[in-house]
This record gives sequence, C-alpha cells and structure tokens, in this order.
Amino acid sequence: RKEVEQDPGPFNVPEGATVAFNCTYSNSASQSFFWYRQDCRKEPKLLMSVYSSGNEDGRFTAQLNRASQYISLLIRDSKLSDSATYLCVVIVIKAAGNKLTFGGGTRVLVKP
Amino acid sequence: EPEVTQTPSHQVTQMGQEVILRCVPISNHLYFYWYRQILGQKVEFLVSFYNNEISEKSEIFDDQFSVERPDGSNFTLKIRSTKLEDSAMYFCASRGTGSIQETQYFGPGTRLLVL
Repeated sequence: RKEVEQDPGPFNVPEGATVAFNCTYSNSASQSFFWYRQDCRKEPKLLMSVYSSGNEDGRFTAQLNRASQYISLLIRDSKLSDSATYLCVVIVIKAAGNKLTFGGGTRVLVKP
Repeated sequence: EPEVTQTPSHQVTQMGQEVILRCVPISNHLYFYWYRQILGQKVEFLVSFYNNEISEKSEIFDDQFSVERPDGSNFTLKIRSTKLEDSAMYFCASRGTGSIQETQYFGPGTRLLVL
C-alpha cells in the first residue's frame, strides 16, 4: 500500500465552483500534514498546514480525519490561477530528519 | 523574501559521468534536504542533513550519491557515476529550527538529463 495516496484527477472545475478532494495515508504514526501546490515543472510550494481541528485560509479549507487516516482540501470560488497539482504531504516525526512524504498529486484544471 | 537557490537549472550529462548539483539554502536554516521527481512521478525524499551529517537517507540514496556542505552557504549533491534512471528534477529544501511543523522551503530545482 502506498504511504500517501491521492486521486490523480484531473478535476475539471468551472471557474467559481467548489472542488474538494482527499488524500489517504497509511502510517498511523504520521504527525504532521500539509498541502503543497506544484505548478508545471516548478518546485512544490506550501499551500497550508493541516491541523487536527481543521483550518481555513481564505478560499481553502483543510480537514484531518485521524481515525480514517485521510486529509481533505476544499477550494471555494475557484479561480483560473488555482489550476495546479495539489500535493498531499505527511511527516512521520523523526529526531532530525522530518522528511516529507509526498502523494502523487491531484491535478486541478479550472476552466472559464 | 529569502529563498533557496539552485544551480545549474539544467544539466545534461553522459551516462557514467559525475555531476554535482548545488544549492544555497536560506541563510539561517540548519536542516537541509534533497528530493527528486522523475518526470510524471511523485516527489521522493533522498536525504536529510543536519549538523554536518546525514540524519536520514532513503533507499534511493545509494553509494553513488553523496552530500556535502563545503562551506557555510552551499549544500551539494554529488552523483558519482550517473545512470539513465537518474534523469529527474532534483529539489533542494531547507528549514529552520523550532516547531517541527516549520515549513521546508524548496529551491526551483535542477533538471538532470542523463544520456
């Protein structure tokens, strides 16, 4: 089983619509969770951390469900500029490593 | 805003040649990382480096790979004898101290093509 699993998409979203997608992780010891955004041929950039209580950053809402081992991302009022690949990222804490474990990404295409 | 820089942006090399990829992490950061992304695949962890030593490495990071922090600013990844399957985008990342959730900042990457 993959450590971090995502629906690759693409999710074709009309501009202004809402889109949501999940990510599942296999290691129950995972402690930190993030959504990164990656544009084509660019580096991953942190979109938001995901907290146990859920958190919101403008049009973006992230949720964590530890019992079912998944996190979600919801994008409201989609903009054309939201078109990107969204990477689910997990850290299983180690003393100094804190390596990021990435999912394969969910591709979102926002269309006019 | 401080950023991680990487050079070169592109590198083409012949199989069996040595390559050195260079990174300048954010200046007050103490934890450094290399990741790679083969075209069309996910980002994969290679190695983490702290206090002048490797703190963790993946099974990808075999004897052909090495990392070094030769001075106070650069962080390098060396591939001793490149293989075709080493062709990928290589990302350097760094983070500061403090909260374990502190963000890892990625450089723009070096695209390596092994012929």
